[in-house]
Amino acid sequence: GEDVEQSLFLSVREGDSSVINCTYTDSSSTYLYWYKQEPGAGLQLLTYIFSNMDMKQDQRLTVLLNKKDKHLSLRIADTQTGDSAIYFCAESMRETGANNLFFGTGTRLTVIP
Amino acid sequence: NAGVTQTPKFQVLKTGQSMTLQCAQDMNHNSMYWYRQDPGMGLRLIYYSASEGTTDKGEVPNGYNVSRLNKREFSLRLESAAPSQTSVYFCASTRPGSYNEQFFGPGTRLTVL
Repeated sequence: GEDVEQSLFLSVREGDSSVINCTYTDSSSTYLYWYKQEPGAGLQLLTYIFSNMDMKQDQRLTVLLNKKDKHLSLRIADTQTGDSAIYFCAESMRETGANNLFFGTGTRLTVIP
Repeated sequence: NAGVTQTPKFQVLKTGQSMTLQCAQDMNHNSMYWYRQDPGMGLRLIYYSASEGTTDKGEVPNGYNVSRLNKREFSLRLESAAPSQTSVYFCASTRPGSYNEQFFGPGTRLTVL
C-alpha cells in the first residue's frame, strides 16, 4: 500500500506558528488534504490543495506542496489553544470509482498557553 | 441535516461475538467508507462502496463484511470478533464535486475482550 508519513507529535507555544509536515508516495494524486480531529470526534476537512498548485492560503492556514520531493506542509499562524488536535494529511487514490483517501499517521499538535 | 451518523458510540464485545455497526448519511452522497483508527497508524480503509449496490475491499478487510443497504446506509459487520479488532471505527461519505471532500461520522469505540 501507499505510505504517507508524518511525525507523531508537535508542541508549540500559543501565538507561535506551527508547521506540520507530511511526505506522500503517489505522484498521481489529484488532491492532497489536511484533516483535523478534535478529541472524541470524527475528522473534519481543514483544507485541500490541487496537485498542480504550489501553495494555498486560507486565513491562518498555509499549505505548501513540493511535488518533486512529494512533501506537503501545513502552517498555522498565530496558533491558539483551540488548534490543539490531531492533524492528518491524506492523498487521493485514483484507481477506483470512489474517491479513496490514504491517510498519514496523524500529528498530535499541543498548544502550550 | 444530521450529516453522517453512527451507532452505537461505544461497544464492548467478548471474543467470538458478532455485531453490526450502523452508518447513515442524509446528504445524498454516492460513496461511503468504513475506516478503523488505531494509535500511531492513522486511518485504514476497511471497505468502501462507490455507489449504491456496490462494495469493495479496502486495505484491511479481513474479519469484516459490509452491506450497502440503500443510498443512505452502509453497515459494517464483525462475524466473530477478535481482540485485534479493538479500535475506533469511522464511517464517511463523499459528495460528488470538484475536490471530493469526505464527511466523517463521530466514530464507534469498540473493545473486544
